[in-house]
Amino acid sequence: AQSVTQPDIHITVSEGASLELRCNYSYGATPYLFWYVQSPGQGLQLLLKYFSGDTLVQGIKGFEAEFKRSQSSFNLRKPSVHWSDAAEYFCAVGAQGNAGGTSYGKLTFGQGTILTVHP
Amino acid sequence: KAGVTQTPRYLIKTRGQQVTLSCSPISGHRSVSWYQQTPGQGLQFLFEYFSETQRNKGNFPGRFSGRQFSNSRSEMNVSTLELGDSALYLCASKMSGGTDTQYFGPGTRLTVL
Repeated sequence: AQSVTQPDIHITVSEGASLELRCNYSYGATPYLFWYVQSPGQGLQLLLKYFSGDTLVQGIKGFEAEFKRSQSSFNLRKPSVHWSDAAEYFCAVGAQGNAGGTSYGKLTFGQGTILTVHP
Repeated sequence: KAGVTQTPRYLIKTRGQQVTLSCSPISGHRSVSWYQQTPGQGLQFLFEYFSETQRNKGNFPGRFSGRQFSNSRSEMNVSTLELGDSALYLCASKMSGGTDTQYFGPGTRLTVL
């Protein structure tokens, strides 16, 4: 069964500082990986995704993530955080390929990391 | 292109009642998935519909059901509501295939009293 762990429940950074949010996944086959962001009372907005190829993926709002198969990790990074980045961030893993035809629509999410940005 | 829309946005029900939530996917998207989000359990997959057929199902009791119409719109139904069903219910749509990106709606906030 697939699973995702986000070890940090809450992270606080100062505006302008760099950011790294950790994500570790467990999945038997080749995963596809996502980072979503959720502002209070809102749905989930896709930041970036990894399917294959270059292990460093660029997303919206200046975010990037690096897929490391050997460490089963997909950490999210941003070189300089803005106050508007304060939100909750979710890492998710999904099945790539047929996987018996049962996993297409299912994303498994981590518990989320709440980001607070100090001015 | 319009995003995923969900109606209603907020709902208050009492224990024992049933509720129906609606989701309209992005135009051209044929897959609709539903998720439940609670503070304690986080985001959990309920089920996925594709071309009016349930293609995948999460680990929820039979009180939770859904369906999809020929225009890809989907509804989910929860019968005999319990206090623990209070949650944000999120709908997501994607075009079809396994590697397509899911786009989420704003959710329906259900409160069970």
